[in-house]
Amino acid sequence: QKEVEQDPGPLSVPEGAIVSLNCTYSNSAFQYFMWYRQYSRKGPELLMYTYSSGNKEDGRFTAQVDKSSKYISLFIRDSQPSDSATYLCAMIPENDYKLSFGAGTTVTVRA
Amino acid sequence: GAVVSQHPSWVICKSGTSVKIECRSLDFQATTMFWYRQFPKQSLMLMATSNEGSKATYEQGVEKDKFLINHASLTLSTLTVTSAHPEDSSFYICSAWRVGLSSGANVLTFGAGSRLTVL
Repeated sequence: QKEVEQDPGPLSVPEGAIVSLNCTYSNSAFQYFMWYRQYSRKGPELLMYTYSSGNKEDGRFTAQVDKSSKYISLFIRDSQPSDSATYLCAMIPENDYKLSFGAGTTVTVRA
Repeated sequence: GAVVSQHPSWVICKSGTSVKIECRSLDFQATTMFWYRQFPKQSLMLMATSNEGSKATYEQGVEKDKFLINHASLTLSTLTVTSAHPEDSSFYICSAWRVGLSSGANVLTFGAGSRLTVL
């Protein structure tokens, strides 16, 4: 069993739809949770960063962490074609420096 | 602008030659940098942790003699793929921890990646 599980998709949605992405994990020591967006042939860029459980909102993006269920989510509202990318979840325990990544979910937003 | 810079972004080489990829932190110092490898439609695989002034730490299964890492200064780490073969063709990405300007927390920042094609 992988430490971080993420459905690779692909996921295709019409413009304006809500995109829902999620990851599950097995290591209860994870405390920091991140979502990265990676466009084709580019390096990942940080989208959202959350510490421990809770919700965080930034514009059209909402990240949720449920540590009791070991489940994290990313929601993209009013999706745009420019949101088409691969989204990777990542997490790390306290006082560690090595991120554990999910496989990444490829999202296509159709105009 | 980019705070972690990689060069070259794309390189094609003949089998048996060596290729060097540079990773620079532009506006911060990085005592530690990370080198990842990514195959098409797959996630990032950590290859090694580059430590300034000391030997790199390699992940299990990564050949130290094939992937030479040098971290000679606080802003530069290099990855040299020695005697490259077609199976080494991949996307290589470096990263470093820096303090996020908005969050104030440490965030792992990635370079744009270097695509290596070995003929």
